[in-house]
Amino acid sequence: QVQLEESGGGVVQPGRSLRLSCAASGFTFSNYAIYWVRQAPGKGLEWVAVISYDGTNKYYGDSVKGRFTISRDNSKNTLNLQVNSLRAEDTAVYHCAKETQQWGLYYAMDVWGQGTTVTVSS
Amino acid sequence: QSALTQPASVSGSPGQSITISCTGTSSDVGGYHYVSWYQQHPGKAPKLMIYDVTNRPSGVSNRFSGSKSANTASLTISGLQAEDEAYYYCSSYRSSSTLVVFGGGTQLTVL
Repeated sequence: QVQLEESGGGVVQPGRSLRLSCAASGFTFSNYAIYWVRQAPGKGLEWVAVISYDGTNKYYGDSVKGRFTISRDNSKNTLNLQVNSLRAEDTAVYHCAKETQQWGLYYAMDVWGQGTTVTVSS
Repeated sequence: QSALTQPASVSGSPGQSITISCTGTSSDVGGYHYVSWYQQHPGKAPKLMIYDVTNRPSGVSNRFSGSKSANTASLTISGLQAEDEAYYYCSSYRSSSTLVVFGGGTQLTVL
């Protein structure tokens, strides 16, 4: 069964850091780009970042550029998101999601994890 | 303000058809074939319903269909069922530093 499972969320003070992880199973992880998408409480979906299947290309949303870093370890079927300089507006559920097709970027996500919650509060 | 514009809510009775619109620009919806639609029930992860404007993933009911005209994409649900009640989000590739943009979401109520 194709699955993604996030971890690493928590309550953190403004300005601090967290490292979110996403464990993949049931598919050839190294063949697919993976996205991070977040959803603030009571709000809609916001694209955060995406990494290509081999990790060579990384793209970020404007609101997180320079503060968040996406990475992957294909030997461990794991995706990471280093989130630094956290702000109150970063409070959200963070989902990892798999690209629909192998090798490229097609900007659609066919498998989603349940998400990990990040709360930024003093 | 969301990058793509969706109606906040739509409603319909069981068995009816409804359409949800998603309006962008020539830099996103109008310029590319990368429009997707997601269904989200409260407290659940989003589910892909349509990708590449018109394609349905395996397992998604053929009651769901997508289309596009100029800068507006649409999701049509025919034969409405109670379980279709959910939030629906559109997304698109955008030719800018923000690669992926979402709509603000539409709450579908089945009366």
